[in-house]
Amino acid sequence: NAGVTQTPKFQVLKTGQSMTLQCAQDMNHEYMSWYRQDPGMGLRLIHYSVGAGITDQGEVPNGYNVSRSTTEDFPLRLLSAAPSQTSVYFCASNIGRNPTSTDTQYFGPGTRLTVL
Amino acid sequence: AQKVTQAQTEISVVEKEDVTLDCVYETRDTTYYLFWYKQPPSGELVFLIRRNSFDEQNEISGRYSWNFQKSTSSFNFTITASQVVDSAVYFCALSEADNTDKLIFGTGTRLQVFP
Repeated sequence: NAGVTQTPKFQVLKTGQSMTLQCAQDMNHEYMSWYRQDPGMGLRLIHYSVGAGITDQGEVPNGYNVSRSTTEDFPLRLLSAAPSQTSVYFCASNIGRNPTSTDTQYFGPGTRLTVL
Repeated sequence: AQKVTQAQTEISVVEKEDVTLDCVYETRDTTYYLFWYKQPPSGELVFLIRRNSFDEQNEISGRYSWNFQKSTSSFNFTITASQVVDSAVYFCALSEADNTDKLIFGTGTRLQVFP
């Protein structure tokens, strides 16, 4: 198992450009999420998905779109990049909504995005 | 509303010292989960522990131990005989029991262990 993979590892954009951060997992996990990490603020949830075809907003969704056409993939789209979106982005997956299980979130290696 | 507070922004210790990282949480849920993650300088997030609100037993894993006290809404993490490899940022996080895909993170504590 590769676990949770993210591409690219680094990206520099100019203000107004669009791009897609890729996330894939091969653990057949139902749940996938995107977080951003900013200095002094910990990680904050952007969007999440509880299964293919289902997505919902997290704490900081503005400026980002997601879709979940397959169980494996959960791309994050920046429609018009802004300097405020400079951050490290982490994708995570979770086996599913089962409080009795030992499920936990597995995180990808992160994508460091700079918007000039 | 849910909230996680890690009041210690940065801690510095010398190798072999014991160190405790504090975590205080707020939630209205009666059932919830608490987590600790480690983020070494390489940047990845490493899962350390998951504890549900029904289990207040302290847990020990090698040099790591966790003290969960519902009465004070705390879930503190102690590293015994710290090592340079323990240098990292440590995050405490909270989730609702039926929503473990949504983690609320604290702001993290940077631990530096000097030789």
